[in-house]
Amino acid sequence: AQKVTQAQTEISVVEKEDVTLDCVYETRDTTYYLFWYKQPPSGELVFLIRRNSFDEQNEISGRYSWNFQKSTSSFNFTITASQVVDSAVYFCALRILTGGGNKLTFGTGTQLKVEL
Amino acid sequence: DVKVTQSSRYLVKRTGEKVFLECVQDMDHENMFWYRQDPGLGLRLIYFSYDVKMKEKGDIPEGYSVSREKKERFSLILESASTNQTSMYLCASSLPGTLNTEAFFGQGTRLTVV
Repeated sequence: AQKVTQAQTEISVVEKEDVTLDCVYETRDTTYYLFWYKQPPSGELVFLIRRNSFDEQNEISGRYSWNFQKSTSSFNFTITASQVVDSAVYFCALRILTGGGNKLTFGTGTQLKVEL
Repeated sequence: DVKVTQSSRYLVKRTGEKVFLECVQDMDHENMFWYRQDPGLGLRLIYFSYDVKMKEKGDIPEGYSVSREKKERFSLILESASTNQTSMYLCASSLPGTLNTEAFFGQGTRLTVV
């Protein structure tokens, strides 16, 4: 069975600090996809990034960067120079191809609070 | 702009009532999902559907059923609502999983069963 662990329940930082959100996953499949979603207070989940298991290149998008390491089964998310608008719940998710590749397994989420 | 629309943002129902949560997507997606979100538990999959009239149980299907009569619409049914079904319900849709595309989510329905 697959599993996603986000050990950090809540993180509080002061604006302009860098912050890393951890995600550790478990699966026996060799082909899988990883995702990060943001859930602002409005409630709707917003897609941030996807990565497949064969692509270990790190990615940077503005203040956001992602570090994918298969050796440690981790897909961590870093926000550089955090802003108040980054305050949200962030979810990491895993999709495997077994069974049609339809099921997304989510972690329990990390609540990020960015204060002035 | 892609859209997944849930019929209600907030809903209050009585114990024992039959409750319908409706979800419509306009992206012609094959897959549709119902999740519930509870503090400390993240999102848990209730049911998903990969085609019209097709459905599969997720991780927590007990007390729920679903209906998918048309491709764009996926309904979650609480046959006899109970207080432990008070939760945030999220609908999502996606292309088939093999295409490695993301799922799109609705705005959520916060259901309170009293």
